[in-house]
Amino acid sequence: AQSVTQLDSQVPVFEEAPVELRCNYSSSVSVYLFWYVQYPNQGLQLLLKYLSGSTLVKGINGFEAEFNKSQTSFHLRKPSVHISDTAEYFCAVSDRSGGYNKLIFGAGTRLAVHP
Amino acid sequence: GAGVSQSPSNKVTEKGKDVELRCDPISGHTALYWYRQSLGQGLEFLIYFQGNSAPDKSGLPSDRFSAERTGGSVSTLTIQRTQQEDSAVYLCASSSQGLDNEQFFGPGTRLTVL
Repeated sequence: AQSVTQLDSQVPVFEEAPVELRCNYSSSVSVYLFWYVQYPNQGLQLLLKYLSGSTLVKGINGFEAEFNKSQTSFHLRKPSVHISDTAEYFCAVSDRSGGYNKLIFGAGTRLAVHP
Repeated sequence: GAGVSQSPSNKVTEKGKDVELRCDPISGHTALYWYRQSLGQGLEFLIYFQGNSAPDKSGLPSDRFSAERTGGSVSTLTIQRTQQEDSAVYLCASSSQGLDNEQFFGPGTRLTVL
């Protein structure tokens, strides 16, 4: 079975500092990987996705993630965060065993950006 | 264009009552998903619809939960005899057909069972 582990439940960081949100996955088949962001009282918004090809994936709002097959990781990074990046971030893997894209989510990481 | 919409945004009910949650997917999206976001379980898959095919109900936590999708568009998630552990945010998502197509999420319905 596929699973996702987000190693940090909360990450505090100062504005303009770099940040890395960690994600490890478990899968016996080729993976599709995703990062979603959830702002307070809103639904999930896709930040970026890895389906195949280049292991460095660039997304919206200056975020990027690197797929590392040997370490089974898909960490999310941003070189300089803003106050507006304060939100909850979810890593997800796609379970395609049913012939469709069922998302298996990690527990989430709450990013708190302080001035 | 319009995104996925869900109603109501908040629902407070008493234990034992039935509730219905509605999802309007993006026009033209044939795939529709329900997920549940709760403190104890995180984000978990509930059910998947694709067009007029039989849904995948493998994520529904009990037989008190059911869902239907009328005319391949609007979906209703029904919870019968609600329990306190049903309190959660219920999220709906839709996508066009295809394994690598993005799921677009609605804002969710926050259900509180007293």
